[in-house]
Amino acid sequence: QKEVEQDPGPLSVPEGAIVSLNCTYSNSAFQYFMWYRQYSRKGPELLMYTYSSGNKEDGRFTAQVDKSSKYISLFIRDSQPSDSATYLCAIGETSGSRLTFGEGTQLTVNP
Amino acid sequence: DGGITQSPKYLFRKEGQNVTLSCEQNLNHDAMYWYRQDPGQGLRLIYYSQIVNDFQKGDIAEGYSVSREKKESFPLTVTSAQKNPTAFYLCASSHPPGSNYGYTFGSGTRLTVV
Repeated sequence: QKEVEQDPGPLSVPEGAIVSLNCTYSNSAFQYFMWYRQYSRKGPELLMYTYSSGNKEDGRFTAQVDKSSKYISLFIRDSQPSDSATYLCAIGETSGSRLTFGEGTQLTVNP
Repeated sequence: DGGITQSPKYLFRKEGQNVTLSCEQNLNHDAMYWYRQDPGQGLRLIYYSQIVNDFQKGDIAEGYSVSREKKESFPLTVTSAQKNPTAFYLCASSHPPGSNYGYTFGSGTRLTVV
């Protein structure tokens, strides 16, 4: 069993839709949860960073962590064509430790 | 501006050749990483280094080698022993343990065997 499982997609939605991206993990020691966005032929960039359970909001993006279910989500409201990218979840056991990445979900937002 | 620079952006390798991918950072990060990205497989860790003159194998180190002689630099050599080297290679760096930051990635090098 992989340590981190991510819905592979691809996902195609109309502009303005609410998008939900999800990952599950198996190691209860994980405490740091991140989402990266990767445009085609570019390196990933950090989008959201959360510690432990709860929600974190930044503009149209909300990251949600449920440690009891070992489940993390990224919600994108009012999705835009510029949100079209691959989204990777990443999880760490301790601050600054090696990260374990999900496989990535490719999202396309159609105008 | 601080960041990570990977070069070259595209690289072509003939069978049996060794090639070296460059990674330089001016973020004063202690830790640096090399990942390989293949379609449908996410990021796989090749090597990582937490301090100068020290590095550890990741999950897929066979056929690769690295050095860390300077804090700013972490070059990756893809040797002829790597049988399937065609992939997108990403270098990353991070603050030391105890700080609450994720990784900063470079723009990647696409390596193709010809």
